[in-house]
Amino acid sequence: AQRVTQPEKLLSVFKGAPVELKCNYSYSGSPELFWYVQYSRQRLQLLLRHISRESIKGFTADLNKGETSFHLKKPFAQEEDSAMYYCALSGGILTSGSRLTFGEGTQLTVNP
Amino acid sequence: SQTIHQWPATLVQPVGSPLSLECTVEGTSNPNLYWYRQAAGRGLQLLFYSVGIGQISSEVPQNLSASRPQDRQFILSSKKLLLSDSGFYLCAWKFPGRPSSGANVLTFGAGSRLTVL
Repeated sequence: AQRVTQPEKLLSVFKGAPVELKCNYSYSGSPELFWYVQYSRQRLQLLLRHISRESIKGFTADLNKGETSFHLKKPFAQEEDSAMYYCALSGGILTSGSRLTFGEGTQLTVNP
Repeated sequence: SQTIHQWPATLVQPVGSPLSLECTVEGTSNPNLYWYRQAAGRGLQLLFYSVGIGQISSEVPQNLSASRPQDRQFILSSKKLLLSDSGFYLCAWKFPGRPSSGANVLTFGAGSRLTVL
């Protein structure tokens, strides 16, 4: 079974402060991890995925297999980062369905 | 380019009435299709997914059903709605086949908000 846990439902920081959204997962194989974001009045969309090892909008996330974590980080938060963030896991590499399991989401608010 | 459409965007239905939410994808063939429900505090719950016409996998037992009558059409239905069916329903698609650097990325529709009274 695969499971994703985001321990913080709400996170509030000030503009310019560092931000870290926590994500822990449970999966017996080699997972593929993602962060999705939903800005107000917009569609849920992909932010980044661990295999790309890229920085998107200043955000990065490193897969830590030892701690089974995939925390999302940004050194200096901006007001436009305020959104709902979902961590997601895809397992079943050989399964064509390849369904994603999502965490419960963290609502990030960046205050001016 | 590929696009995904969901309708209706908003729906208010009485308890016991039927439901039909539709999702269509354009610009690709044989996509994997998904129905999720988004509930506050409970994240995104996968309801159904489909890897081809007429092929439906159900993730959780419930009052809903799904069908895929055409390659790029995915329908979420109910014969008799319950109050607990209220929620925000998201359709999504991705490229089929073995996961690769891009094939595991879901693209979501704008969603359908259902209120059952």
